[in-house]
Amino acid sequence: AQSVTQLGSHVSVSEGALVLLRCNYSSSVPPYLFWYVQYPNQGLQLLLKYTTGATLVKGINGFEAEFKKSETSFHLTKPSAHMSDAAEYFCAVRDTGGFKTIFGAGTRLFVKA
Amino acid sequence: GAGVSQTPSNKVTEKGKYVELRCDPISGHTALYWYRQSLGQGPEFLIYFQGTGAADDSGLPNDRFFAVRPEGSVSTLKIQRTERGDSAVYLCASSPRDRAGNTGELFFGEGSRLTVL
Repeated sequence: AQSVTQLGSHVSVSEGALVLLRCNYSSSVPPYLFWYVQYPNQGLQLLLKYTTGATLVKGINGFEAEFKKSETSFHLTKPSAHMSDAAEYFCAVRDTGGFKTIFGAGTRLFVKA
Repeated sequence: GAGVSQTPSNKVTEKGKYVELRCDPISGHTALYWYRQSLGQGPEFLIYFQGTGAADDSGLPNDRFFAVRPEGSVSTLKIQRTERGDSAVYLCASSPRDRAGNTGELFFGEGSRLTVL
């Protein structure tokens, strides 16, 4: 069965600092991997996704993530945090042959001025 | 509108009452999903529709929960005999592709917050 583990329910960084949000997954077949972001009082929206091909994927707002099969990880990074990045971030996995997308518990990112 | 629309945005009800939550997906999206998000948790899968039929309802917690999509567009999630533990945000999402194995980016609505007193 698929599962997603996000390490750290809360992460706090200073404005301009590196953002690193960790995600590990479990899947019996090659997965599709996603990061979604939820800003306050808004619905979840796709930040980036990995399907096939290049393992380093770039998303909106300067975020990127790298699929590492050997580590079953898909960590999200951004070189320099901005105040507007404060939100909740969800890692998600979907089997290539399936319908369900399974979400992690989420990591809330705080950005300090 | 262009996005997924969910109504009501907030619903407060009493234990034992019946509730309906509505989802209007993006036009042309054949796949529709319901998720439930409890405080401090990620979205939990409930049910998936491909067109009018429920292709996977394995996430529905018990037989008090039921969902329909009679014309392959709007969907209604129905909860009978509500319990306090049903309190959560119910999220609807739609997807433009309808084949198994598609990349399946989900487009979410803002959710319906259900509070059972």
